[in-house]
Amino acid sequence: NSKVIQTPRYLVKGQGQKAKMRCIPEKGHPVVFWYQQNKNNEFKFLINFQNQEVLQQIDMTEKRFSAECPSNSPCSLEIQSSEAGDSALYLCASSLVGNERLFFGHGTKLSVL
Amino acid sequence: GDKVKQSPSALSLQEGTNSALRCNFSIAATTVQWFLQNPRGSLINLFYLVPGTKENGRLKSAFDSKESYSTLHIRDAQLEDSGTYFCAAEARSNYNVLYFGSGTKLTVEP
Repeated sequence: NSKVIQTPRYLVKGQGQKAKMRCIPEKGHPVVFWYQQNKNNEFKFLINFQNQEVLQQIDMTEKRFSAECPSNSPCSLEIQSSEAGDSALYLCASSLVGNERLFFGHGTKLSVL
Repeated sequence: GDKVKQSPSALSLQEGTNSALRCNFSIAATTVQWFLQNPRGSLINLFYLVPGTKENGRLKSAFDSKESYSTLHIRDAQLEDSGTYFCAAEARSNYNVLYFGSGTKLTVEP
């Protein structure tokens, strides 16, 4: 179904450590999204890109989270100083146009000890 | 409150039976997507809907924007249908974000 590739599958970090995850969107998809899914199945939008440009990001993202989608390289999401509350499944999705039919990767499961 | 209320939260079906999942929206939803999250975590896109209905094999989905709800019907349930189903809506207020329901955990038993 989906050809969005996320790495790593699992990430374990101590509090205060950096956590970085990567995403290769489906070929030809210019729009990339990052969502956080917590253990209660609550999805939180973090940031989205059109090609290399940020379209929208939430306040949380602006403080400790950074993300980029450089041309000819994987997109990435990095947490500068991990906190226990950041433990979640981080999902990357891509689409051809906006929110029209999103395709998700397997996710990166982050555990902050 | 919840922008997208999904029901039921959990459902157990015998193989070969039918069922329906529902999402009610308190936002002005313009499009709806339904996903199946398998045990590996992957979210599989089942449907992308503007107001109307779509059918794909044993699955059928409807979205009524005026009444603010969407349904997903599963016919002749199979073991491989097990997983967690999520609906997600795009709203007129913000076209960058999908608002997700809390999921329906479906277990299909032999």
